[in-house]
Amino acid sequence: NAGVTQTPKFQVLKTGQSMTLQCAQDMNHNSMYWYRQDPGMGLRLIYYSASEGTTDKGEVPNGYNVSRLNKREFSLRLESAAPSQTSVYFCASSDGTGKTYEQYFGPGTRLTVT
Amino acid sequence: AQKITQTQPGMFVQEKEAVTLDCTYDTSDQSYGLFWYKQPSSGEMIFLIYQGSYDEQNATEGRYSLNFQKARKSANLVISASQLGDSAMYFCAMREPRAGRRALTFGSGTRLQVQP
Repeated sequence: NAGVTQTPKFQVLKTGQSMTLQCAQDMNHNSMYWYRQDPGMGLRLIYYSASEGTTDKGEVPNGYNVSRLNKREFSLRLESAAPSQTSVYFCASSDGTGKTYEQYFGPGTRLTVT
Repeated sequence: AQKITQTQPGMFVQEKEAVTLDCTYDTSDQSYGLFWYKQPSSGEMIFLIYQGSYDEQNATEGRYSLNFQKARKSANLVISASQLGDSAMYFCAMREPRAGRRALTFGSGTRLQVQP
């Protein structure tokens, strides 16, 4: 049981390049999330997916797109990277039921855009 | 809109002493959940403790306890008997109540340093 996995762990892009961050969970969770963490700040929600086939915007969606490929996988795409997107990106999942709706986080992807 | 405020950017504590990390929140919802996460220098997010808005008793998990004062809208984390391994960033977060979303709103964090 790997929990939430993210690839890659590190990435350097030039301004204008595109890339996709991959996330997968093996806990059969319905809900998945993408957050970004800028230096000295807490995490902010980019996009979320309440269930397979649905996605919706969070607090900071500009410059990003997402795909909920199936129940396990939720990818985040940067179509034209900008230096303002330099950040650490966390994927998380939650089963959407139970008492706490605890979110389980992946290890993060550290992205630098030059 | 929900908001989480952590007013202590950094805290120092001596090993084996207790420390309180402050968190206040703002919401108009009656049903909500409050979380504390630890982020060590390695970067992962580690769940510590949860308090539901309708829970009558303060949550405890080992050396962690949550001092929940609903009327004051505060949810302070208390770490007893601090250890060197407790040195990390600590984030308070609130879960959105809206069904189907349940995302977390985070505070800006408190960096705790435990001194020997």
